[in-house]
Amino acid sequence: DTAVSQTPKYLVTQMGNDKSIKCEQNLGHDTMYWYKQDSKKFLKIMFSYNNKELIINETVPNRFSPKSPDKAHLNLHINSLELGDSAVYFCASSRQGGNEQYFGPGTRLTVT
Amino acid sequence: AQSVSQHNHHVILSEAASLELGCNYSYGGTVNLFWYVQYPGQHLQLLLKYFSGDPLVKGIKGFEAEFIKSKFSFNLRKPSVQWSDTAEYFCAVNASGGYQKVTFGIGTKLQVIP
Repeated sequence: DTAVSQTPKYLVTQMGNDKSIKCEQNLGHDTMYWYKQDSKKFLKIMFSYNNKELIINETVPNRFSPKSPDKAHLNLHINSLELGDSAVYFCASSRQGGNEQYFGPGTRLTVT
Repeated sequence: AQSVSQHNHHVILSEAASLELGCNYSYGGTVNLFWYVQYPGQHLQLLLKYFSGDPLVKGIKGFEAEFIKSKFSFNLRKPSVQWSDTAEYFCAVNASGGYQKVTFGIGTKLQVIP
């Protein structure tokens, strides 16, 4: 059983397109996160939701919009994709904010 | 806001060598500390964590870390590394209490040579 799952695993698209990445956790956690890992492996938080409510919103372009339909899901929609958006995006969850996090397998986004 | 420094960006060791990866954080209050590992092509997994109590914490796969409050450090150690320990290691910190974001260090790439 996959604790934190993401789809798709790979995403190749052209500049200007709009795409979504889905994340689901079956751990019963209240808090979910989106991270961006760049080519140098640096991991930076983008958003955090607790029980469907946005609690952390780092300096991320408005083109990125998270959506949490319920506490088990946190999707990431990206509008007008740019070359600089190419990265691996990780979803994670935890029992509550600040606790140990469980990461999904990542989505490798390539913008051409 | 907190920050994390990992001093060794790329470490190469032979099998059976001892490992110590440095991690220092910057924050004036009480913190939670973590070490995560990312094996090639995989997602991050928790190695160990410190919230309170005994400053020497033991994690999975023979890893341990020591929290030294006076030095703002949380170094990761393993007495004898194996080829399978080849991975990227991330130190992370967050302020205790409430919904505090976790800040990750830049990571240390460990390469173990058979």
